[in-house]
Amino acid sequence: GQQLNQSPQSMFIQEGEDVSMNCTSSSIFNTWLWYKQEPGEGPVLLIALYKAGELTSNGRLTAQFGITRKDSFLNISASIPSDVGIYFCAGPSSNTGKLIFGQGTTLQVKP
Amino acid sequence: DAMVIQNPRYQVTQFGKPVTLSCSQTLNHNVMYWYQQKSSQAPKLLFHYYDKDFNNEADTPDNFQSRRPNTSFCFLDIRSPGLGDAAMYLCATSRGLPTAGYYNEQFFGPGTRLTVL
Repeated sequence: GQQLNQSPQSMFIQEGEDVSMNCTSSSIFNTWLWYKQEPGEGPVLLIALYKAGELTSNGRLTAQFGITRKDSFLNISASIPSDVGIYFCAGPSSNTGKLIFGQGTTLQVKP
Repeated sequence: DAMVIQNPRYQVTQFGKPVTLSCSQTLNHNVMYWYQQKSSQAPKLLFHYYDKDFNNEADTPDNFQSRRPNTSFCFLDIRSPGLGDAAMYLCATSRGLPTAGYYNEQFFGPGTRLTVL
């Protein structure tokens, strides 16, 4: 079945640094979603991408839909302590439309 | 603000004692989902309702049931919780199904953390 592979699995960075994480698949996806989940809370949708090549920003976050439709990346600029959490990429299965999630990237920010 | 609400946020039950988790939404979305999430893993879909149509995932245990009495509310019933059912349970909604041409954005509630003693 379709799978999404996220990397890195975890990151420990200094406050103020920029962060980059990505999501890849051997299959084509028509939508890429990026969620952030803080400890003890549900995932919150950060950015939704619907067109190949699309580059979308949400504050300090920027995400891109890869041209091949098989990858997406999320960048966070000038990280702050409240950026801590698990970032999941997700995309709909081409067969069922149900969301497939990546394994998540855990981000820790040192003040 | 339109939102997805889950109650309670924390639930403790005993091994084998039935428990019900609730979810409500003010988004007026047609689809409601229940996910199980364990220790920093990705959410795992248990089932979803499209309006009143119930769709069970093939690997969801029979121990898990769901009810959707109206558009706004959806319940997750665990008939005989085992220790392995301790997890975060997430409710989510979407306007429609991607197969019907709707976007895939799902909006999650804050979750209910279930502990089984």
